[in-house]
Amino acid sequence: GQNIDQPTEMTATEGAIVQINCTYQTSGFNGLFWYQQHAGEAPTFLSYNVLDGLEEKGRFSSFLSRSKGYSYLLLKELQMKDSASYLCAVKGNYGQNFVFGPGTRLSVLP
Amino acid sequence: GAGVSQSPRYKVAKRGQDVALRCDPISGHVSLFWYQQALGQGPEFLTYFQNEAQLDKSGLPSDRFFAERPEGSVSTLKIQRTQQEDSAVYLCASSPGNEQYFGPGTRLTVT
Repeated sequence: GQNIDQPTEMTATEGAIVQINCTYQTSGFNGLFWYQQHAGEAPTFLSYNVLDGLEEKGRFSSFLSRSKGYSYLLLKELQMKDSASYLCAVKGNYGQNFVFGPGTRLSVLP
Repeated sequence: GAGVSQSPRYKVAKRGQDVALRCDPISGHVSLFWYQQALGQGPEFLTYFQNEAQLDKSGLPSDRFFAERPEGSVSTLKIQRTQQEDSAVYLCASSPGNEQYFGPGTRLTVT
């Protein structure tokens, strides 16, 4: 089967750092993606990891360990506008099948 | 440039009615995906097209769901004899390679 786990909700303070974890068990692996989704809006692409290690992009970084089936998204210098759901998605071996996790709803407090 | 567009943005259907949801992908994107997203959940894969070919429809929940992309551009997701459990946001995404670009979605409410 295919399974992706993320914490349901997280809360952090403006200016702080937060780490959102994602663990996965999927049929094959061809990349892990993080998306941001504000309430009532479409998901927007944040990052892509296919090899182990850390990918940094401005205030956002994403880490992957394929042997552990584990990834995290690190958000630095949190801003109020970062309050959103963060979706972890894995691209499997078959065709273009993407499996999304349930999402982590992040609330940034002043 | 223009992103992925979907229409209608909102659709209310009575149980048993047929509905058609439209997706206009980003020009030149070969891959097109349909997802169903329930409130508070992540998107669930429905089907995938590469140009006009529907290569994966393993996520379609029943034979009431049908998708097409006849000319390899615009796609339509049709749901026949809608049921209350079909109420969800239907997202379309197009992709030039790896990352997907999502449309705003169609919120379907079946009463």
